Amino acid sequence: GIQVEQSPPDLILQEGANSTLRCNFSDSVNNLQWFHQNPWGQLINLFYIPSGTKQNGRLSATTVATERYSLLYISSSQTTDSGVYFCAVVPGAGSYQLTFGKGTKLSVIP
Amino acid sequence: EAGVTQFPSHSVIEKGQTVTLRCDPISGHDNLYWYRRVMGKEIKFLLHFVKESKQDESGMPNNRFLAERTGGTYSTLKVQPAELEDSGVYFCASSQWGQGWAGANVLTFGAGSRLTVL
Repeated sequence: GIQVEQSPPDLILQEGANSTLRCNFSDSVNNLQWFHQNPWGQLINLFYIPSGTKQNGRLSATTVATERYSLLYISSSQTTDSGVYFCAVVPGAGSYQLTFGKGTKLSVIP
Repeated sequence: EAGVTQFPSHSVIEKGQTVTLRCDPISGHDNLYWYRRVMGKEIKFLLHFVKESKQDESGMPNNRFLAERTGGTYSTLKVQPAELEDSGVYFCASSQWGQGWAGANVLTFGAGSRLTVL
C-alpha cells in the first residue's frame, strides 16, 4: 500500500517562530488532508489539498502532486498550535481509505 | 452545524467484557468511517459505511469487532470480547456522498473514544 512519511517527528518552537512540516507519499493521490490533533485528542481538519496551495490565517499548505510531497507552513506560532499534525492520503480513484502518517508532534513554548 | 459526536469519550473495561462505541455523524452525511489508533501506531482505517451499507470493511481486525449503522444515521462499533490489544482511540468520521466529488473526500472527524482494556 501507499507509504506516508512525515518529518520531523518532533519539533519544539519558541512562540512567534515559523515552521515547515513535510509529508512525503509513495504514490499518486486523489485526496490529501492535513489534520491537527489538539491536546484533547480531537482531529481538526486543516486543509483538503490534493494539489496546489491554500492559506487559512497563519497556516498554509502546498502539495506538489507530481513530486509526491506536501508542506504545511505555520507562521508566528502560538502555544495553541501545539499538538500532533497528521498528513493523510487516499491513493488513486475509487477508494475512500485515508492512510495516515505517524505525525509531527509540535510543542510551542512561551 | 453540529460536528461528529462520539461517546463515550473514555471507557475502561476488563479483558473479556463488551464495549459499544457510538458515533453520530454530521446530519446529511452518507459516508461514515471508523478509524483507530492503538498505542504507538498510526491511525488506521477500520471500515466505511455508505448510508446503512458496509462499503469497505477490510480494516476490521477480526470478528470480535462488529459495526452497524441501522437506518443510515448513527453507527455503533461493538468489541466483544475485548482484549488488551484493543486499547486505543477509536475515531469516527463522516463526509458527504458524491462519487468523484471533492466534498466526498473531505472527512470530518469526531473527538474519538478512548478505550482502555485492563
